[in-house]
Amino acid sequence: DQQVKQNSPSLSVQEGRISILNCDYTNSMFDYFLWYKKYPAEGPTFLISISSIKDKNEDGRFTVFLNKSAKHLSLHIVPSQPGDSAVYFCAASEIQGAQKLVFGQGTRLTINP
Amino acid sequence: DVKVTQSSRYLVKRTGEKVFLECVQDMDHENMFWYRQDPGLGLRLIYFSYDVKMKEKGDIPEGYSVSREKKERFSLILESASTNQTSMYLCASSFRRGYTDTQYFGPGTRLTVL
Repeated sequence: DQQVKQNSPSLSVQEGRISILNCDYTNSMFDYFLWYKKYPAEGPTFLISISSIKDKNEDGRFTVFLNKSAKHLSLHIVPSQPGDSAVYFCAASEIQGAQKLVFGQGTRLTINP
Repeated sequence: DVKVTQSSRYLVKRTGEKVFLECVQDMDHENMFWYRQDPGLGLRLIYFSYDVKMKEKGDIPEGYSVSREKKERFSLILESASTNQTSMYLCASSFRRGYTDTQYFGPGTRLTVL
């Protein structure tokens, strides 16, 4: 049972445009969400996070939006750059519970020049 | 800078062999994790540990065991490797600060079981 779902396995965006990556979750106990970025042959690196008490968090070119009623979050990258080409994983955790993160399947983002 | 290192980048083993994957972190983190990454499935948690000599099963512990004798080191053991354990194995560590559950990952070990 996939509690965190990224339904788009891949996404292709032109350099300079906006990239929007989506993530849905089913567990209503999740209240902290993270995005990780992974290059080939490297481990994932933390990108940005959001607590359920917020609906938006911004860090430079990266913004994460959370819609709790829809159990949906999205990562916006603007403007997209070639170095953003990577696999992006959405993850979720229950603050009051274990330190576990539940990851989505990942979306491969390709930025075209 | 947090550093998580894994003993091997690539490993090839035969079915039935006992396999040890080692992970070391240098930031005095309490929490350590082992995941496997497979195409279309994302990262799935195998085992995790909150403290020395303490372990908890993750979502897919079958066929694996772990050992944490020292705070900085977390080992994943495949008692009898099978071909369906061919995968990318990722170790991570974290230190809980408020709402931050950021996990820091090692570079991964690509294990092939023949």
